[in-house]
Amino acid sequence: QKEVEQDPGPLSVPEGAIVSLNCTYSNSAFQYFMWYRQYSRKGPELLMYTYSSGNKEDGRFTAQVDKSSKYISLFIRDSQPSDSATYLCAMKKVSNTGKLIFGQGTTLQVKP
Amino acid sequence: EPEVTQTPSHQVTQMGQEVILRCVPISNHLYFYWYRQILGQKVEFLVSFYNNEISEKSEIFDDQFSVERPDGSNFTLKIRSTKLEDSAMYFCASSDTGVGTDTQYFGPGTRLTVL
Repeated sequence: QKEVEQDPGPLSVPEGAIVSLNCTYSNSAFQYFMWYRQYSRKGPELLMYTYSSGNKEDGRFTAQVDKSSKYISLFIRDSQPSDSATYLCAMKKVSNTGKLIFGQGTTLQVKP
Repeated sequence: EPEVTQTPSHQVTQMGQEVILRCVPISNHLYFYWYRQILGQKVEFLVSFYNNEISEKSEIFDDQFSVERPDGSNFTLKIRSTKLEDSAMYFCASSDTGVGTDTQYFGPGTRLTVL
């Protein structure tokens, strides 16, 4: 079983739709959860960072963590064409090395 | 806004040649990382570096790879004898504390093509 699993998509939605992106993980040692956005041939850019179960909201973005189910989600409200990118979930254990484990990434296209 | 920079943006080399990828982390950061992303695959951790020492390295980071902070600003990844399978995007990242909720900031990447 892979440590972090993420449906690669692609996911295509109309502008204004609510988007739901998800990752599952197998290692309960993961305590920190991140969502990065990556545009084509660019470096990942941090969108959201959570470290406890529950919801965290930032503008149109909501990150949700359910540690009991080992499941994390990112919701995008009122999606815009500029949201078209690849979304990567990433996780980290409690350690002093900072090693991030990434999911495969989900490619999202928001059509005008 | 401070950012991580990487040079070159694209490096083409022949199999068996040595390459050095360069990164300038954010100036007050103390933790440095290299990741790679083979086309169509996930971003993979290679190595973390703190206080002039490797903190952790992955199975990918074998004896052909080395990292160095030659001065106060640069962080380099050297591949001694490149293989075809080393072709990938290489991302440098840096963070301030390396623990807890610190954020890793990624550079734009260097695309390495091994022929």
